Amino acid sequence: AQSVSQHNHHVILSEAASLELGCNYSYGGTVNLFWYVQYPGQHLQLLLKYFSGDPLVKGIKGFEAEFIKSKFSFNLRKPSVQWSDTAEYFCAVNEYAGKSTFGDGTTLTVKP
Amino acid sequence: KAGVTQTPRYLIKTRGQQVTLSCSPISGHRSVSWYQQTPGQGLQFLFEYFSETQRNKGNFPGRFSGRQFSNSRSEMNVSTLELGDSALYLCASSLGTNEKLFFGSGTQLSVL
Repeated sequence: AQSVSQHNHHVILSEAASLELGCNYSYGGTVNLFWYVQYPGQHLQLLLKYFSGDPLVKGIKGFEAEFIKSKFSFNLRKPSVQWSDTAEYFCAVNEYAGKSTFGDGTTLTVKP
Repeated sequence: KAGVTQTPRYLIKTRGQQVTLSCSPISGHRSVSWYQQTPGQGLQFLFEYFSETQRNKGNFPGRFSGRQFSNSRSEMNVSTLELGDSALYLCASSLGTNEKLFFGSGTQLSVL
C-alpha cells in the first residue's frame, strides 16, 4: 500500500527564514502529487500539484515544490516565510482513481 | 459557486449508537471522498464515490459505509460507534479522476 512520510511534525521559524518541508512516498509507479494547507480555522486547500512535465512546480503564495522521481520525494519550499504562513501542511499522493494518501502533516509556526 | 457543505458541523453520540453524516459537493463535481482526521493519525482515506459507485475503500471496518446519490450528494454512516471513532470527518469533492480535492469544513464527531 502507498505510504507518505513527512519528515517534520512541527517546524518553528522566524519571519524571512527559508522553509523546506520534506515529503517522501513509497509507490514506484505514476503518481500525482499534491501539497495541501490548512490555515487556522479554515478548510484544507490546495497549495500546489504535480501531474507531469516540469518537476519544479509553483503554487500559491510563493510556495514551490520539486518532484525528484529517483528519490520518491516532493519537498515543499518557500524562500522567505511570513507570519501568515503559520498553518498545517499536508503532502498527498494520488496513485489511482479516487484515492489520495496523505502524510501525517507538518505544523509550521512562524514567529513575527 | 458554493463550496463543499457538510452537515452537521458537530455531533455527540454514545457508544453503540449509529450516525449519518452528509456531504454536498461543489456543483458539477462527480467524485466525493471521505477522510477521517485525528491528531495522531492524520488524514485516513475512508472511501470514494464517483457517479454513485464506490471506486475505492480504505482500511476501515465494515461499520463504516457510505453511498452517493444521483445528484452527487453523499452520506457516510458509522454503526455501533466506538470511542475510537471520535474524529473530524472530512468530505472532499473533485471534478473527476486524479483532480485536486476541495474539502468541506468537516463534521466533528465525539463518541462518549
